[in-house]
Amino acid sequence: RKEVEQDPGPFNVPEGATVAFNCTYSNSASQSFFWYRQDCRKEPKLLMSVYSSGNEDGRFTAQLNRASQYISLLIRDSKLSDSATYLCVVNPARGTSYGKLTFGQGTILTVHP
Amino acid sequence: DAGVTQSPTHLIKTRGQQVTLRCSPISGHKSVSWYQQVLGQGPQFIFQYYEKEERGRGNFPDRFSARQFPNYSSELNVNALLLGDSALYLCASSLASGHNSPLHFGNGTRLTVT
Repeated sequence: RKEVEQDPGPFNVPEGATVAFNCTYSNSASQSFFWYRQDCRKEPKLLMSVYSSGNEDGRFTAQLNRASQYISLLIRDSKLSDSATYLCVVNPARGTSYGKLTFGQGTILTVHP
Repeated sequence: DAGVTQSPTHLIKTRGQQVTLRCSPISGHKSVSWYQQVLGQGPQFIFQYYEKEERGRGNFPDRFSARQFPNYSSELNVNALLLGDSALYLCASSLASGHNSPLHFGNGTRLTVT
């Protein structure tokens, strides 16, 4: 079983749609959780951290369910510029260096006119 | 301020050769991590260095090695290259090694092994 699993997609949605991505992780002791965005042939960039209480940043909402070891990302009112690969990222157990992040395969999103 | 810089941007090598990739972290960042990203997959952790010491190593063979210099820049070396080493190699820096220090990635070095 992969440490972080995501549906690779692709998700093809029209502008204005709401789209949700899910991710599961295997290490129950994992401490920190993130969503990164990666544009084609570019480096990953931090989109948002994910907190147990859930957090929102504009059109983006992230949720964490520690009991189910499940992370989600909701994008509302999709824009063409949201087209990218979304990477679910987990920082392993306490005591492990932060630089050692575990990435999911990524979910490809294409927003069309 | 300059972000994380990596060199070269592209590289073509043949099987069996050796390669050295370079990374300069954001000014003031003391932690450097290296990741390998194969096409269609997420980045995989190779090494982390903090204050010139190795703090973590991923599941990669001994052909992969790295070091960090006093100015916090870093090199990743890969010996005896295999076709499967073809990938985007990403360097990331952070202020510290704790979990509150976000990672900032460079543009990567795209290595092709023929």
